[in-house]
Order: sequence, then structure tokens, then C-alpha cells
Amino acid sequence: QVQLLESGPGLVKASETLSLTCTVSGGSISSSNWWNWVRQSPGKGLEWIGEIYHSGTTNYNPSLKSRVTISIDKSKRQFSLKLTSVSAADTAVYFCASGLVLCSGGNCYSGIYDYWGQGTLVSVSS
Amino acid sequence: DIQMTQSPSTLSASVGDSVTITCRASQNINSWLAWYQQKPGKAPKLLIYKASSLEDGVPSRFSGSGSGTEFTLTISSLQPDDFATYYCQQFSSYSTFGQGTKLEIK
Repeated sequence: QVQLLESGPGLVKASETLSLTCTVSGGSISSSNWWNWVRQSPGKGLEWIGEIYHSGTTNYNPSLKSRVTISIDKSKRQFSLKLTSVSAADTAVYFCASGLVLCSGGNCYSGIYDYWGQGTLVSVSS
Repeated sequence: DIQMTQSPSTLSASVGDSVTITCRASQNINSWLAWYQQKPGKAPKLLIYKASSLEDGVPSRFSGSGSGTEFTLTISSLQPDDFATYYCQQFSSYSTFGQGTKLEIK
């Protein structure tokens, strides 16, 4: 079964860039799943950040789009998150997750998060 | 943006009880809804997808229903392991989660 493991700094200074990596094991990063980042903070609950397909196609949360970049390195079986210009509001536990795809009536929907990493706390300091 | 609103925010129940959590979407999401269970310090766990389909390995006491804008998660015959926080999530347009329902022991 798929296992996901987040890695990266636990402390980032305000106005700088948050960078996290998720390593995929037990399954192919080139499968039909989308690879996602989700965060959880006490103030905003669970918030979807964005997703990437093995082709490199991305979708981002409109509220974060201007600051987010998700990339993939298939040779390393990793996908990564960069969030620029962070503030205290970006302090959260960041999860990576695999997203199943369902199709109906000619439309396909990703967003069923069947496997999750354990999460990593990132704090933003002033 | 599609907003998801869960009720209640907190629910107190006893082992053996049956409980229902409601989730409302701000617009029609057909059946593109999932339910997750989360325990403290852990990642969410997928329970139900496409409103009523039970994820493999999830006990049959969990069931989901609804379509359009109103959905329910029902847990029958509560077990001690069921006390946790539950989230609904829509994936009709991007992805958004409800604010969560904490199920606590009465």
C-alpha cells in the first residue's frame, strides 16, 4: 500500500519561502492518482493547497494560487510544495495525500484522499 | 468557492448509540462528497466517498447519504474507537472541507 512521508524545515521566518517534500513509496508516482498538499491549522481547519499529476499538470486553491508552486520529481518518487511570502497565518500541520480520481458523465473528479502522510508541523516565526 | 457547513460542531453520545452528522454545501455538488475521521495527532482517514460508497476496510456501521447540497454521515452502534472528529469534503470544484464535528463520549 502507498506510504507518504513529508520532510522539510519545521520553522520558517516570516516573508520567506516554505519548502516541503513528500516521498512516495509502496506505489507508483506515475499512477492515475493526483498528489496533493493539505494543511490544518487551528484557525482554518483543513485546507486544500493544491495537487499535481505525474505529467506535471497542477491545480491550486484559488486563495493561495499566487504564492504556491507544486512540482514533481518522478526519478526520486517525490513531489514538493513551495509557499512564498509566509506569515503567521501559514503556521499549520502540512499533509501530503494521494488523490483518487472518479469519472462520471465524461467528467473526472480528483480529490478522494485515500492515503495521507503523517503530517509535519511548520511554524512561521517573526 | 463552495462552502461546506457541518452540524453539530460537537456531539456527545454513548457506546452503542446511533448518531448522525449533517453537512451542507453552499451549492449543488451532486454526489462529489467524502467523509473523513481524524484522531488527535493523526492524519484524516477516508471513510466514505461519492456520498455513500464505503471505503475498503471501513466498518459497515458507517454509512453516508445525500446528494445536491445536503448530506449525512450516520454511525450506528457506536464503538469506543469511533470517538473522533469527522469532516466532510467536497471535490466537485477544487476541494473544501467542513469545519469538523467532534464526537465525544457522554
